[in-house]
Amino acid sequence: DVKVTQSSRYLVKRTGEKVFLECVQDMDHENMFWYRQDPGLGLRLIYFSYDVKMKEKGDIPEGYSVSREKKERFSLILESASTNQTSMYLCASSPQSGLTEAFFGQGTRLTVV
Amino acid sequence: GESVGLHLPTLSVQEGDNSIINCAYSNSASDYFIWYKQESGKGPQFIIDIRSNMDKRQGQRVTVLLNKTVKHLSLQIAATQPGDSAVYFCAEKRNRAGGYNKLIFGAGTRLAVHP
Repeated sequence: DVKVTQSSRYLVKRTGEKVFLECVQDMDHENMFWYRQDPGLGLRLIYFSYDVKMKEKGDIPEGYSVSREKKERFSLILESASTNQTSMYLCASSPQSGLTEAFFGQGTRLTVV
Repeated sequence: GESVGLHLPTLSVQEGDNSIINCAYSNSASDYFIWYKQESGKGPQFIIDIRSNMDKRQGQRVTVLLNKTVKHLSLQIAATQPGDSAVYFCAEKRNRAGGYNKLIFGAGTRLAVHP
């Protein structure tokens, strides 16, 4: 089975902290994605990566950065956490070629206080 | 801008009835569509997909219909069960130059199944 694993299910951080959300996939997928999910807004794409060290902004990249040093790992970084970044964060991966679905992790519920 | 969206935010059905969840998309160039199910506290899980060269695809108790003329997608669940209660998302895959495809999601529809 494809597995996408996010390092934390729940996180509580203080305003201004630097926060790292980690995601690892075991299917050798080229593409990896970070979404945030908020009630009524669905899943919004923050950043995605189509190869090691490659990244591209999604729809809401402000306040976030990403790192992809290895193919299996994609990290989301909140440089200075703010309360409006309280959300559910979802990581996903997919092969680059072909028409296939993306596989999701279980999500990280981040609360910024 | 172009988007994928859902007509109904919440759908309540009786156990055993059929459910229909609708989705509208606006990018006629999209060539792949997916339905995901998300249960409380979990990440989205793949249900069924359909390519743009098809208008219907069936799985176990689920059917996806694609109407490219009106850019409409629907998910039909037969004999809805309590375990079907979840939020359902449609997603559209937009291929970009260089093959860097990404999924665009709708807002989601909550399906509530009552005994």
